[in-house]
Amino acid sequence: NAGVTQTPKFQVLKTGQSMTLQCAQDMNHNSMYWYRQDPGMGLRLIYYSASEGTTDKGEVPNGYNVSRLNKREFSLRLESAAPSQTSVYFCASSVVFYAPRLSGNTIYFGEGSWLTVV
Amino acid sequence: DQQVKQNSPSLSVQEGRISILNCDYTNSMFDYFLWYKKYPAEGPTFLISISSIKDKNEDGRFTVFLNKSAKHLSLHIVPSQPGDSAVYFCAASKGGSEKLVFGKGTKLTVNP
Repeated sequence: NAGVTQTPKFQVLKTGQSMTLQCAQDMNHNSMYWYRQDPGMGLRLIYYSASEGTTDKGEVPNGYNVSRLNKREFSLRLESAAPSQTSVYFCASSVVFYAPRLSGNTIYFGEGSWLTVV
Repeated sequence: DQQVKQNSPSLSVQEGRISILNCDYTNSMFDYFLWYKKYPAEGPTFLISISSIKDKNEDGRFTVFLNKSAKHLSLHIVPSQPGDSAVYFCAASKGGSEKLVFGKGTKLTVNP
């Protein structure tokens, strides 16, 4: 009953270092996401992937890169970490459903990764 | 430009009473709405959703109401329990889009 699993849970980086956050889901969902949460800012979308082989920018993509490795895995990379990237990062997955007069998308989140850049 | 707004950063209620969390949206194209609950140091968990073809959806103690003309939805929790203390996020999407737009959250505290 894993759902969405992300690693590492905690990480401290020095400014300029690089790192990759890993994410995997076992729900056979097509879509995957990376969000960040900052105090008073809610959840902001960094990147998403609607299907294997595709990625798109979200609201706050600058300073990040992503890779949709296969249907299960979606990684987030910080090439040169900055203090402004100190945040909690959430990976998520979903399946979009379509029906007559009804369509929607329910996202399921991982437990979060706490990243501090000093 | 905030398309989904939760104007109350916090709400405090007594155990057993009703909690009402509010959410307003500006984009009339939104047609699917969700509420998430988040405990500290955990990921948000899906709570309840509603499509624009409905004006009410219930799941146990949780009911979501949608007023499309006012572009307003609310989450009612009856009766409130201390374990309901968490941050609640409202979210919206349009036309089956992958993107959900989230509000900034309301911190609910249920006092014993």
